[in-house]
Amino acid sequence: DAKTTQPTSMDCAEGRAANLPCNHSTISGNEYVYWYRQIHSQGPQYIIHGLKNNETNEMASLIITEDRKSSTLILPHATLRDTAVYYCIRYNTDKLIFGTGTRLQVFP
Amino acid sequence: GAVVSQHPSRVICKSGTSVKIECRSLDFQATTMFWYRQFPKKSLMLMATSNEGSKATYEQGVEKDKFLINHASLTLSTLTVTSAHPEDSSFYICSARVLPLTDTQYFGPGTRLTVL
Repeated sequence: DAKTTQPTSMDCAEGRAANLPCNHSTISGNEYVYWYRQIHSQGPQYIIHGLKNNETNEMASLIITEDRKSSTLILPHATLRDTAVYYCIRYNTDKLIFGTGTRLQVFP
Repeated sequence: GAVVSQHPSRVICKSGTSVKIECRSLDFQATTMFWYRQFPKKSLMLMATSNEGSKATYEQGVEKDKFLINHASLTLSTLTVTSAHPEDSSFYICSARVLPLTDTQYFGPGTRLTVL
């Protein structure tokens, strides 16, 4: 049970911001929200994670709602190479439990 | 981010043979390594967790005698698929984590196993 809900697929125009939502309404206080992505036939790539505060790194921004029941991953300027499956994961134990993720298609 | 490698990237074997897959953390020491399996168009499924110097912990439904895991050092874990059958054909991916620096898991590029 992945315990997160994500849209199955999304499209985004190249150069525009891609906003990927994730619902984790039953998240515990000590669980982090992690985001990974998987480009076809490759291993997952770590993107970003957060607990309560919004986070930003060179790849993306993570916006977590104040009640922590949902979050949004933002790719500020999507490129064709950002086409991948994006996984939002709750994590506070040894295990990363992958759900079905969101398939993001960036088009020219 | 930390770099994890896997070898081989692809392997084809005959039914009944055994195949060993290596997972290495290249620029850090991994206290824990994980093995996942992914079937076509499906998500990753955790198979087992291994800590250096101790026995692996297998997820429910994963046969420990069929999927042998060894984590002999802080930079190397191996997965051996014994007596492979066509239904074992899959994409096998490892990840590594170094505590207490971070909980983040870093993944290898995966190994495509095809059993004929």
